[in-house]
Amino acid sequence: GAGVSQTPSNKVTEKGKYVELRCDPISGHTALYWYRQSLGQGPEFLIYFQGTGAADDSGLPNDRFFAVRPEGSVSTLKIQRTERGDSAVYLCASSLAGAGDEQFFGPGTRLTVL
Amino acid sequence: ILNVEQSPQSLHVQEGDSTNFTCSFPSSNFYALHWYRWETAKSPEALFVMTLNGDEKKKGRISATLNTKEGYSYLYIKGSQPEDSATYLCAFNNNAGNMLTFGGGTRLMVKP
Repeated sequence: GAGVSQTPSNKVTEKGKYVELRCDPISGHTALYWYRQSLGQGPEFLIYFQGTGAADDSGLPNDRFFAVRPEGSVSTLKIQRTERGDSAVYLCASSLAGAGDEQFFGPGTRLTVL
Repeated sequence: ILNVEQSPQSLHVQEGDSTNFTCSFPSSNFYALHWYRWETAKSPEALFVMTLNGDEKKKGRISATLNTKEGYSYLYIKGSQPEDSATYLCAFNNNAGNMLTFGGGTRLMVKP
């Protein structure tokens, strides 16, 4: 079956612009996660959804970052007033129910802020 | 802050060599330890999910062991092939939440 997909695969933007990154999880997976991988580091947790609600957003670095999952399927990560330090690979993962289930990852969106 | 560390950061081996890397993680509040294989421009691929102290899991030429009491896991690759070249990530799952805390990864390059 189809895996997790993310669009766009690459996004180049200018400092100060607004960007949206999209994640399509595996059908039927209730849990959805966003992670960010900066150069030379492992992925870092941003936010976790269970259904439509954000169950844990403790990893969002500041209020420029926001994510939604209005129908409990597709999720959008939104970044306002982008900064050069936001450049990273943004990974999305989904799992069947959460709570330690295997997480299936998408290929990521590489964001470059000039 | 949970500290998950992997060593070495990178490794160059010849085709046919066997190799291993280490993941260390907090020994308290353990729930699961995940290993992923991540090739450039592809999705991270799950290799193993390990939950029990003393677990040993195997998939083809790749195997992993788990020691939750001392907080480490080893990943072994027997007879490395060029297609094994990738970044190998471990991720810790504690019993307080659902998110994964990743190590920095080990980048493996296998020369033909």
